[in-house]
Amino acid sequence: DIQMTQSPSSLSTSVGDRVTITCRASQSISNYLNWYQQKPGKAPKLLIYGASSLKSGVPSRFSGSGSGTDFTLTISSLQPEDSATYYCQQNYNTPLTFGGGTKVEIK
Amino acid sequence: QVQLQQSGPGLVKPSQTLSLTCAISGDSVSSNNVAWNWIRQSPSRGLEWLGRTYYRSKWYNDYAVFVKSRITINPDTSKNQFSLQLNSMTPEDTAVYYCARDPGAFDIWGQGTMVTVSS
Repeated sequence: DIQMTQSPSSLSTSVGDRVTITCRASQSISNYLNWYQQKPGKAPKLLIYGASSLKSGVPSRFSGSGSGTDFTLTISSLQPEDSATYYCQQNYNTPLTFGGGTKVEIK
Repeated sequence: QVQLQQSGPGLVKPSQTLSLTCAISGDSVSSNNVAWNWIRQSPSRGLEWLGRTYYRSKWYNDYAVFVKSRITINPDTSKNQFSLQLNSMTPEDTAVYYCARDPGAFDIWGQGTMVTVSS
């Protein structure tokens, strides 16, 4: 199975700050990496697919990069509504696996 | 737009079978460019992919190894839905269960069903 490791597990930062979340795969997954945002009591919401493609309707302050084993989700200017937990997920092969999540809190 | 509506019980007794259904609107369970998945989430185990069904000239299933002996995912073309059956439930199976569409990423999710395994 491909293990997905996210860091940090949580962070607390201010509105307007730049936020970077990293995700590392235990083996190369090319660009088969997706990012999700989840708010309490809700299903995850797709933000980024194919490592760097922004889903339609997602604010442009979200961006993704990386390939192979190392990936990054960046929020260029954090907004209050971005308080949530973020997950990476590989769809290179089955079993499809998720990272452990990064909880983003607003100071 | 595509929507997924889950139905099924929220309480299951130990050793019994969990049965959940995911009704699809705005797409077809027989679509040949997506897969239909079941995923669960618990505080202790995080997000876990359980399995999927998909149609590519014939029906295929893939299952996670840790549930492979007790899981069945079936499409129902007459009702445009798919189902999850998980046998021999234990308290460790307590989780929120989601269905999700996957054309390369999980882009559409059901509303989630909190399933508690308890006598």
